[in-house]
Amino acid sequence: DVKVTQSSRYLVKRTGEKVFLECVQDMDHENMFWYRQDPGLGLRLIYFSYDVKMKEKGDIPEGYSVSREKKERFSLILESASTNQTSMYLCASSSKRQGRNQPQHFGDGTRLSIL
Amino acid sequence: AQKVTQAQTEISVVEKEDVTLDCVYETRDTTYYLFWYKQPPSGELVFLIRRNSFDEQNEISGRYSWNFQKSTSSFNFTITASQVVDSAVYFCALRCGGGYNKLIFGAGTRLAVHP
Repeated sequence: DVKVTQSSRYLVKRTGEKVFLECVQDMDHENMFWYRQDPGLGLRLIYFSYDVKMKEKGDIPEGYSVSREKKERFSLILESASTNQTSMYLCASSSKRQGRNQPQHFGDGTRLSIL
Repeated sequence: AQKVTQAQTEISVVEKEDVTLDCVYETRDTTYYLFWYKQPPSGELVFLIRRNSFDEQNEISGRYSWNFQKSTSSFNFTITASQVVDSAVYFCALRCGGGYNKLIFGAGTRLAVHP
């Protein structure tokens, strides 16, 4: 089974802090994604990566950056956390080699609160 | 524009009732893929099913069934004889023919099944 592991289930940080959310997958997937989930809005794509050191902006990249130094790890960075970034963050991965219809596999999510 | 609409925000049923979750999508692509995910209270999104645009066969898996109709751009999900364990948020998602396996999610439908 694919395992996508997010480093924290719950995280509380203060406004202005630099925040790192880590995600690791164990299936050698090329594609990795970061979403945020807010009530009534579903999941919105922040950034994604299709290879090591490659990154692409999603629909809501403002205030975030990412890092993909190793294939299995994809980090989301809040450069200067603000209260409107309080949300549930979900990481996902998928295989590129197996074709376009492959599902994304998700981690358990990190519920981040910015005070 | 690509879009997924789940018009039902919340549905509440009593155990053993049948329930249908609606999903309507918009895309100009001729090749696309549709997915359903379940998010139980634990938070992890669980992949349920995928459908290719060129395969309109309906599918049944135990108590779950899916009705894909290109004529109405709908991909509805029915749970027969619902159980308390079906309580979750359900997301419909669309992947179009471009690269990188990006998914567009609906806002989700929260299903509550009461004993």
